Amino acid sequence: AQSVTQLGSHVSVSEGALVLLRCNYSSSVPPYLFWYVQYPNQGLQLLLKYTTGATLVKGINGFEAEFKKSETSFHLTKPSAHMSDAAEYFCAVSVSDTGRRALTFGSGTRLQVQP
Amino acid sequence: GAGVSQSPSNKVTEKGKDVELRCDPISGHTALYWYRQSLGQGLEFLIYFQGNSAPDKSGLPSDRFSAERTGGSVSTLTIQRTQQEDSAVYLCASTLWTSGSYEQYFGPGTRLTVT
Repeated sequence: AQSVTQLGSHVSVSEGALVLLRCNYSSSVPPYLFWYVQYPNQGLQLLLKYTTGATLVKGINGFEAEFKKSETSFHLTKPSAHMSDAAEYFCAVSVSDTGRRALTFGSGTRLQVQP
Repeated sequence: GAGVSQSPSNKVTEKGKDVELRCDPISGHTALYWYRQSLGQGLEFLIYFQGNSAPDKSGLPSDRFSAERTGGSVSTLTIQRTQQEDSAVYLCASTLWTSGSYEQYFGPGTRLTVT
């Protein structure tokens, strides 16, 4: 079975500062990894994904993440935070061994951006 | 439609009543997922459909929960004899399984409140 751990349920940064949201996963087979963002009272929007190939993936809104197999990590970064980045972020893993490819989510990190 | 839609957006019901939640996936998407988002449990997988069949119902929390999908499109999640612990946001997602593409597209959710 797979699992996801997101370190830090709340992260606060200043506008213009680096954003780093941490995600570690556990999976017995090669994982597919995703970051989703959820704005208040909205559904989940895909930020970026890793399936195969290049380990540094770029997503929407200036976010990127790097798959590090040796560290079982998939941390999300953005060089300069914007007020509009304030939201909840979820890391998720999917594996294909069961065929269903359902997502297993971390507990989420709420990002606060201070002016 | 352009995205996944869900109805109703909000549902308040009395304990013991039955409720039906509807999901319209993105046209052509073969796989459909239901998840539940609650304060205590985070985001958890409920059930998955491939076409009209549900090969994996392992996430359904009790036999009060059931779901069906007709015509490979619309899905309905039914909760019988609702309990207060069923209060949550129910999210639907759909995906098209093409090579290397496993991202799920989420609807806005149905917020269920059981009083």
